Amino acid sequence: SQTIHQWPATLVQPVGSPLSLECTVEGTSNPNLYWYRQAAGRGLQLLFYSVGIGQISSEVPQNLSASRPQDRQFILSSKKLLLSDSGFYLCAWSVGVGGADTQYFGPGTRLTVL
Amino acid sequence: DQQVKQNSPSLSVQEGRISILNCDYTNSMFDYFLWYKKYPAEGPTFLISISSIKDKNEDGRFTVFLNKSAKHLSLHIVPSQPGDSAVYFCAASEGGNKLVFGAGTILRVKS
Repeated sequence: SQTIHQWPATLVQPVGSPLSLECTVEGTSNPNLYWYRQAAGRGLQLLFYSVGIGQISSEVPQNLSASRPQDRQFILSSKKLLLSDSGFYLCAWSVGVGGADTQYFGPGTRLTVL
Repeated sequence: DQQVKQNSPSLSVQEGRISILNCDYTNSMFDYFLWYKKYPAEGPTFLISISSIKDKNEDGRFTVFLNKSAKHLSLHIVPSQPGDSAVYFCAASEGGNKLVFGAGTILRVKS
């Protein structure tokens, strides 16, 4: 069966510090991978998605970037965090080439920027 | 531009009764719809989905109804249980793998 891991679970970082969040998927090959952010009291906002190694699409211009160095690894980064980067970050995976494509989420990372 | 809207921020239901969560969308090109359940500090869990070629899909206590002419879908939970208390998100996609989410509805099931 497929599993998705995210770490760390929680993170407190000062403004201006770098960020690296990691997501890995097991039990599937060539998944589509996604990064979402949920701000307090808000829905899920798609930040990045990837259909393959090295292929990243950005949905929202911002202070963040994503990379996919391996098939089942997805990394969310920032060089300098802003207060507005605080939120709950979720990684998700799916398989499929369009059409009915259900996404499955990881446990999330709670990021607080002080 | 909110393409997927959940206009009720919260809903309170008595245990054993029916919970009805609603979702409206504006993009007529959406062809796949999903409901997710989320507990605090956890990732969303997939509940049920429906393709635009159907108007109903049922899975145990959960049924999703789709009214394409009204651009409206709903999730029915019968009977509601205290463990159903969570935030429910509806989501939609247009011929691909990018999902657009609503803002969520908090469901509280009272025992």
